[in-house]
Amino acid sequence: DAGVTQSPTHLIKTRGQQVTLRCSPKSGHDTVSWYQQALGQGPQFIFQYYEEEERQRGNFPDRFSGHQFPNYSSELNVNALLLGDSALYLCASSARAGRFFSNQPQHFGDGTRLSIL
Amino acid sequence: GNSVTQMEGPVTLSEEAFLTINCTYTATGYPSLFWYVQYPGEGLQLLLKATKADDKGSNKGFEATYRKETTSFHLEKGSVQVSDSAVYFCALRENSNYQLIWGAGTKLIIKP
Repeated sequence: DAGVTQSPTHLIKTRGQQVTLRCSPKSGHDTVSWYQQALGQGPQFIFQYYEEEERQRGNFPDRFSGHQFPNYSSELNVNALLLGDSALYLCASSARAGRFFSNQPQHFGDGTRLSIL
Repeated sequence: GNSVTQMEGPVTLSEEAFLTINCTYTATGYPSLFWYVQYPGEGLQLLLKATKADDKGSNKGFEATYRKETTSFHLEKGSVQVSDSAVYFCALRENSNYQLIWGAGTKLIIKP
């Protein structure tokens, strides 16, 4: 049973460029959350997708956007990249169990390391 | 707002020593509490969880008890091994949403 998979594992971009990161959730999971983890810090919540809609959003600018597909996989897009966007981007999935929030924990992928030059 | 505070690292111990990593939280409701571990070069793995007051989460010899009166969720292990060297994150989640609030992480170094 595959866990959460993310691609690519590493990415190098330059300032001003755009990037798309991809995530496939664990089998049976329908909710995907994205986090940014700067070096030496804890993850910061970017947003969460459920039923192909953004349901919650953290304190990130509109340059950060996402999408969820009918198969529950998700993309994170970042436009106009800044040096400060260099970080490990983590995807987490969990099962929502319909309209109600499940108390099941989130499962994380290994992340995409994004470096901005 | 909600927040999690962990003891600063790195924490350096000898093999077979007793481990405590402190974690305290502030929350408006009754959150679920988690410890995640991040081994070098890897993603985050759930270590243990507790969903209500006085619950004890345990896994791989690690334990943590949800203490509402002290708003704490300290991680303990009786005898650490070199393979326990990693960064440990305490996190909370309000039961009304999925967003995890994280501590800054505590790096643990175990020397043989």
